[in-house]
Amino acid sequence: SSELTQDPAVSVALGQSVRITCQGDSFRNYYASWYQQKPGQAPVLVLYGRNNRPSGIPDRFSGSSSGGTASLTITGSQAEDDADYYCISRDKSGGRYVFGPGTKVTVL
Amino acid sequence: EVHLVESGGGLVQPGGSLRLSCAASGFTFSSYWMSWVRQAPGKGLEWVANINQDGSENHYVDSVKGRFTISRDNAKNSLYLQMNSLKAEDTAVYYCARDVFLAVALDCWGQGTLVTVSS
Repeated sequence: SSELTQDPAVSVALGQSVRITCQGDSFRNYYASWYQQKPGQAPVLVLYGRNNRPSGIPDRFSGSSSGGTASLTITGSQAEDDADYYCISRDKSGGRYVFGPGTKVTVL
Repeated sequence: EVHLVESGGGLVQPGGSLRLSCAASGFTFSSYWMSWVRQAPGKGLEWVANINQDGSENHYVDSVKGRFTISRDNAKNSLYLQMNSLKAEDTAVYYCARDVFLAVALDCWGQGTLVTVSS
């Protein structure tokens, strides 16, 4: 079973904000990174580290972490943000990774 | 521009073997960890394995340990995944990804190759 937990699905009105959370003990020691995946496409890294966005990722994506919870916030959701979002962190061994089960974000 | 192109997927019988390849270009391949990630049909992402820059360190998810072997050839800018004793539950799209190990970030991904294990 996954060591990370995510809400299966959330919905957000166009232009509104949504927060996606990922819970796990690993976040007490490691940062999360976040991936967006649209149907039939490879995942795309949208956030990593404390709050870092790769080149080309809009600044409406931001992150935070507190205790055992990492969060991804989309501020001013756009239609193209409709996708699955996955978190990842290290497992207890420190060398292996584990993905969260994913959150389906629907932009209404 | 970073490019990762997977190949080697296909249909294989249970118990069979398959070797996946990932050709990398557009970056200094030998400077990065690399990972394999898979996604079963209709399911979420599962990290499979990673390997460090010179191939001296690797890690595997428990479900493939002893059956899969990750390797790399820095002279050929290539990553490999040798998969033995394949099971139906190994059926998935397999992605290679550039692994920024210290940041726990997979920052570039290939388009994936489909492995189907079925009789």
